[in-house]
Amino acid sequence: QKEVEQDPGPLSVPEGAIVSLNCTYSNSAFQYFMWYRQYSRKGPELLMYTYSSGNKEDGRFTAQVDKSSKYISLFIRDSQPSDSATYLCAMTQGAQKLVFGQGTRLTINP
Amino acid sequence: ETGVTQSPTHLIKTRGQQVTLRCSSQSGHNTVSWYQQALGQGPQFIFQYYREEENGRGNFPPRFSGLQFPNYSSELNVNALELDDSALYLCASSGGQGLQETQYFGPGTRLLVL
Repeated sequence: QKEVEQDPGPLSVPEGAIVSLNCTYSNSAFQYFMWYRQYSRKGPELLMYTYSSGNKEDGRFTAQVDKSSKYISLFIRDSQPSDSATYLCAMTQGAQKLVFGQGTRLTINP
Repeated sequence: ETGVTQSPTHLIKTRGQQVTLRCSSQSGHNTVSWYQQALGQGPQFIFQYYREEENGRGNFPPRFSGLQFPNYSSELNVNALELDDSALYLCASSGGQGLQETQYFGPGTRLLVL
């Protein structure tokens, strides 16, 4: 069993839709949770960072962590074509290695 | 503030050769981590360097080695290249002021082994 499971998609939605991206994990020692966005042939770009259960909002993006269920989510409101990318969840116990999900490939159709 | 840079951007090698990839960390960061990202997969942790010492290693064989220099830049060396080493190699820096756990990635080096 992988430490972090993420539905690889692909996911295709119309512009303006609400997008929900999810990851589950098995290691209860993970304390810090991140979402990265990766455009084609580029490095991952940090979108959101959380370290406690609950919601964190940043503009159109909301990150949700449920440590009791070992489940994290990223919601994108009013999705735009420029949001089309691969979204990677990542988590860590501390300052060392990040453990990534497989990534979900998202396409927003105009 | 200068971001993470990597060189070269692309590289083609043949099986059995050796390769060196380079990374300059973000200004103010003292920690560099290297990841391998195969096509369609998430990045996999290779190792991390903190103040010129290896500070954690993933499940990669010893032919993957690294260095960190006094200016916190870093190299990833891969010996005896195999076809499965074809991937995007990502460098991430961290350890500046603020959230120590947050890693910022460079654009990557795309390696093709023939």
